[in-house]
Order: sequence, then C-alpha cells, then structure tokens
Amino acid sequence: DGGITQSPKYLFRKEGQNVTLSCEQNLNHDAMYWYRQDPGQGLRLIYYSQIVNDFQKGDIAEGYSVSREKKESFPLTVTSAQKNPTAFYLCASSRGDRGGGPDTQYFGPGTRLTVL
Amino acid sequence: AQSVTQLDSHVSVSEGTPVLLRCNYSSSYSPSLFWYVQHPNKGLQLLLKYTSAATLVKGINGFEAEFKKSETSFHLTKPSAHMSDAAEYFCVVSDTGSQKLVFGTGTRLLVSP
Repeated sequence: DGGITQSPKYLFRKEGQNVTLSCEQNLNHDAMYWYRQDPGQGLRLIYYSQIVNDFQKGDIAEGYSVSREKKESFPLTVTSAQKNPTAFYLCASSRGDRGGGPDTQYFGPGTRLTVL
Repeated sequence: AQSVTQLDSHVSVSEGTPVLLRCNYSSSYSPSLFWYVQHPNKGLQLLLKYTSAATLVKGINGFEAEFKKSETSFHLTKPSAHMSDAAEYFCVVSDTGSQKLVFGTGTRLLVSP
C-alpha cells in the first residue's frame, strides 16, 4: 500500500530530552512537510523540504530540527529548546512544485508527543 | 498574506439534515482552496480542492463547496448528514505558485441521531 507512516503513535519525553519523530513515505513524492497541531488551532508549519538535502523553516521552526537525506524520509527532532513541545505532530507529502500551483498534500496518521 | 476564517468552531446537525460549514478567505493572488477532514487522533484527509477551474467543486462522501470570489467564501455543504461525518473540518488556502498552506482553526461537526 502507498502512503505515509509516522512512528511512534504516542511518545512520552522528559523535560530536557531531545526526541526524534519518524516520517516515511512511499509515494515517490518530492516534497515533505511537518506540522504541529494544538487544541482549537489549525495546523502550523514547522519545516518543509521540496527536494532531498534541502529544507526551509516554516512559521514555527524554533526548537525543532530536520534532515532530508533520503527522498522517502523526513525525520523531525524536537529539541530541549522547544519550550512547549506537547502537541500532535503531523507529517505530509506532495508531488512538489510543478509550476502549476500547490499540489495536494497527503497526511500521515500523526504522533502525539507528551512532555512529562 | 493569505488567511482563512472558519466562522463556526462547532456545528451541530441531526442525521439526515443538511450540513453547512462556513469559510472566508483572504488572499492577494488567485487562491487555491481546500477542505480537509480529520477524525479523532487521525491524520487529515482531503475532501475537495478548488484551483481556478469550475467554481462548484464536488468532493468525496457527498460533500461539495462553491467558490464565490465576490464574497471571498468557500463554504462546504452536504445535503444529508451521516453519523460518520462527525469530525473536524479544516478550510485551507494557498496562493498560486506557493506550496505553503494556511489552515483555518477548524469546525467540529457534531451529528446526532
């Protein structure tokens, strides 16, 4: 089956620890995205990558880091510098910029991170 | 800069009655508009999208939306609600040429028997 997988589904972290969230896609998409969702708010963009070995900050990148070493993988690290990391994290992918406007973004099932 | 306003945080309907979820947008350029649905603790699923073709867009599960430029609106409708429609719905805007999406704060649809 083609799709986007995120692991783990639930993650608990102690304050002061870094943690890495996994996102893998087998859709052969060029672009990948990380969003954060908080209760009563829409999704906010953390980082995005339009091609391997390249990524850009989104609207709320502080306290997060990413890498894009492979086309199918876009892991997100939540660092200890992120002051309020408890949230639902969603990964998405799309075909990428083909000059015709935004592609449809397809979303993974999400990871719920709780800081204890 | 583009933005989107979902006018209702919650909408309650009875099964079998029409659904209307309201969305107004602000965009400097020709926008692309989307509606996504999210069931509890799940990812988002695309319902439909508008990209400057027909103004009435049909989506999955019987939903449709009409792009009205004069009113800067993109309301989501369905003639008859099912219990399985209970979820959170997000209106999303993106400017043409941009891969970045801007999300509304969501409308929770409640469907009673």
